[in-house]
Parts: sequence; C-alpha cells; structure tokens
Amino acid sequence: DQQVKQNSPSLSVQEGRISILNCDYTNSMFDYFLWYKKYPAEGPTFLISISSIKDKNEDGRFTVFLNKSAKHLSLHIVPSQPGDSAVYFCAASDLGYGGATNKLIFGTGTLLAVQP
Amino acid sequence: EAGVAQSPRYKIIEKRQSVAFWCNPISGHATLYWYQQILGQGPKLLIQFQNNGVVDDSQLPKDRFSAERLKGVDSTLKIQPAKLEDSAVYLCASSPQGYSPLHFGNGTRLTVT
Repeated sequence: DQQVKQNSPSLSVQEGRISILNCDYTNSMFDYFLWYKKYPAEGPTFLISISSIKDKNEDGRFTVFLNKSAKHLSLHIVPSQPGDSAVYFCAASDLGYGGATNKLIFGTGTLLAVQP
Repeated sequence: EAGVAQSPRYKIIEKRQSVAFWCNPISGHATLYWYQQILGQGPKLLIQFQNNGVVDDSQLPKDRFSAERLKGVDSTLKIQPAKLEDSAVYLCASSPQGYSPLHFGNGTRLTVT
C-alpha cells in the first residue's frame, strides 16, 4: 500500500515558466511533508518542507502548498530554470508519534525537465 | 560542514555472495538511517538508529540484512547472502535529533548478478 503517491512520472516545462509537481497521501496521521531533489548519481537533497499547521511555505522560487482535506500537496517552482531539471521526491512523516523517529515515507518521484 | 560519506560508490557481486556498505554521518547527528532505493521507486527505510540504538527496523529483511552503528557514529549495513532483488542504491542519511530534514549521502549502487 503506497501511502505517498506521485502520479506523474515526468513533467516537461519551458524555462521561465511555472513547474507544478503534485503529491497525494493517504495516511491522515502524517503531519510533516518535505520535497527532495535528486540529480543522477547523487543522494536526495532537501528542498523545502511544510508542517500540517500551515497551508503554504515559500523559499525563494520554491513554494509548497498543503491541502489537508484533500490530502494533497504541491511544489511550485517559479520561474523554472534548466538547473532545476532533476527527480523530485515528495516525502511525509508522522512526527506526532513520539516526535523523535522522523521516519520519512517517500513517493516514487517525478522527473522534471526544464527546456531552455 | 562535511556531508554524509558512503563507500563504496559501486559494487557488483554474484548472488549468494555477501557485501557490506559503510556510512559516516554528519558530525553531531544523533540519528542515522539506511534507505534502499530500487530503480523507479522512492527510497524505502530499512533501519533507523538513534545514537547506537535501533529505533525502527521493521522493514529490514533480518534473515539476510544486518546493520550496526558502533559508538553512535559510523554504521555498516551487510547483506548475506545477496539475492538478485537486492540490486538497488543503498542510501545513508543522518539528522540531528528531532524535527529536521534528513541529509543523504550519495549512496552505494549494488548490482547482484
């Protein structure tokens, strides 16, 4: 049973336009969500996070939106740049459980290609 | 700060052989994780250590996989005997205690033939 789902395996956008990556989750106990970016032959790199008490978090060109009722989050990249081309993983955690385990459940990833 | 170090970067073995991976976390990070990423899937947690104690190993195939974290710093993950389905990238990650993102190493790509 996949608790975190990224239904779009790939996405292609033009440089300068907006990239929107989507993620759905099924476990209502998740209260902390993260996006990681992964280049080939490298480990995932933390990008941005959001806790369930917020519905939006912004960091420069990256904004994450959380819709708890729909169990949906999205990552917006504006404007998109060729260097943003990578695999993006959505991850979720249930920190309410003791607050110390920080166990992340990952989605399957979306390959973003930003065309110059 | 120095990142999470892993070695080797690549390993090719035959099925039924054994293999070991090494991880050195970021200095001062109390929590260490081993993840398995099979091609086309997201990383899956195998085991989590808090200092040198195991917090979660519910998804570790204990009949063939073992892990230890000596003195609460470095960690090794071992597979014995390996199966074809163990072919994957093994990622080590660390984090300070509590509510914080994980920092990943570059992983070890294992191919079992």
